[in-house]
Amino acid sequence: KAGVTQTPRYLIKTRGQQVTLSCSPISGHRSVSWYQQTPGQGLQFLFEYFSETQRNKGNFPGRFSGRQFSNSRSEMNVSTLELGDSALYLCASSQGGDQPQHFGDGTRLSIL
Amino acid sequence: AQTVTQSQPEMSVQEAETVTLSCTYDTSESDYYLFWYKQPPSRQMILVIRQEAYKQQNATENRFSVNFQKAAKSFSLKISDSQLGDAAMYFCAYRRGSGGGADGLTFGKGTHLIIQP
Repeated sequence: KAGVTQTPRYLIKTRGQQVTLSCSPISGHRSVSWYQQTPGQGLQFLFEYFSETQRNKGNFPGRFSGRQFSNSRSEMNVSTLELGDSALYLCASSQGGDQPQHFGDGTRLSIL
Repeated sequence: AQTVTQSQPEMSVQEAETVTLSCTYDTSESDYYLFWYKQPPSRQMILVIRQEAYKQQNATENRFSVNFQKAAKSFSLKISDSQLGDAAMYFCAYRRGSGGGADGLTFGKGTHLIIQP
């Protein structure tokens, strides 16, 4: 069974631009969560989607948004990029409920 | 708010020996799950082991086992017969049970494990 797939693997943007990251979950998984990983703040939860509905959201500004499609694929969008948005963005999928989350390889976003 | 603390930024162990990574957490919930994830330089987070708070028995996965002390809110990971492939960042994580409205994972800052050949 294929794992969680995130695209692109690397991305370079400039301040003020916007970016969209994509995540394809493991087949059969309906829950997708997003995390931001930085050296200073560590791993922080962004949001979780289940059956196209955002169920939980972390403490991030409204510039960070996401959505989930009917096939469970998810996208994360960051608008008006800031230097501090440079990070590894990780996506994780699960079957939902209390099932464990399985992570993708992440997208490394660099802001110039 | 829940917090997860890993007090060892870095640990070093000789190959084939045993090492224990520490983790403490703080929560007022009774229904929750604890995890250890491994992140090698390839950066993919890999689930190592999972513990349900309602289970008294410590979880075990081959060479990996945990010491779960619920009253002390402690959740340490023991790696036996350490191998070079165990070298990675190890993250302890907490998640509230879905019965209370599941949130995302709360992670500790991580422990960098070095395996000496």
